[in-house]
Amino acid sequence: EPEVTQTPSHQVTQMGQEVILRCVPISNHLYFYWYRQILGQKVEFLVSFYNNEISEKSEIFDDQFSVERPDGSNFTLKIRSTKLEDSAMYFCASRQGSYNSPLHFGNGTRLTVT
Amino acid sequence: EDQVTQSPEALRLQEGESSSLNCSYTVSGLRGLFWYRQDPGKGPEFLFTLYSAGEEKEKERLKATLTKKESFLHITAPKPEDSATYLCAVQVRDNFNKFYFGSGTKLNVKP
Repeated sequence: EPEVTQTPSHQVTQMGQEVILRCVPISNHLYFYWYRQILGQKVEFLVSFYNNEISEKSEIFDDQFSVERPDGSNFTLKIRSTKLEDSAMYFCASRQGSYNSPLHFGNGTRLTVT
Repeated sequence: EDQVTQSPEALRLQEGESSSLNCSYTVSGLRGLFWYRQDPGKGPEFLFTLYSAGEEKEKERLKATLTKKESFLHITAPKPEDSATYLCAVQVRDNFNKFYFGSGTKLNVKP
């Protein structure tokens, strides 16, 4: 069964450093998302991406964040200058083109900012 | 404001002891309600989609139902391998791109 893959599974970085989280969505999916989950808290929406542009973003997704789909398969999330409070599990998700299609998630990247 | 609330926060069952998890929602218009299973350190795994009140979906020991205000995930004769956090998410009618997640119910099934 096709799946969303994310790399790395764990990233440790120092405060102020830039990180790039990578995702390969399911190949025939059209909508791409980043969510995050701080330990013990809700899954929170960050950004959605469709047709090579951001379609929606949350208040969390400020100027420190950016997303890119550099080729036909990868989808990346960049955090320019990490803060301690960016420590969380970051999930990539994708879904098909129909309105009711569910999100399919990867297994996440655990980001630890020290 | 659109909201999704799950209860209980945690549930401990003996193997074979059936129970139900609740997801209540207040949204401007429901397009779909989704149930997910999340194991520790993993991403949410899709289980079911429900679209309209009265609809039911089943998979092994799990059955999801939907009313106009809430959804239930019924677990019949659970096994230890059913232990996980169960999340519900709501997709609203006027913005199909937005999914609102509940906080989840952490289920622990003891042998």
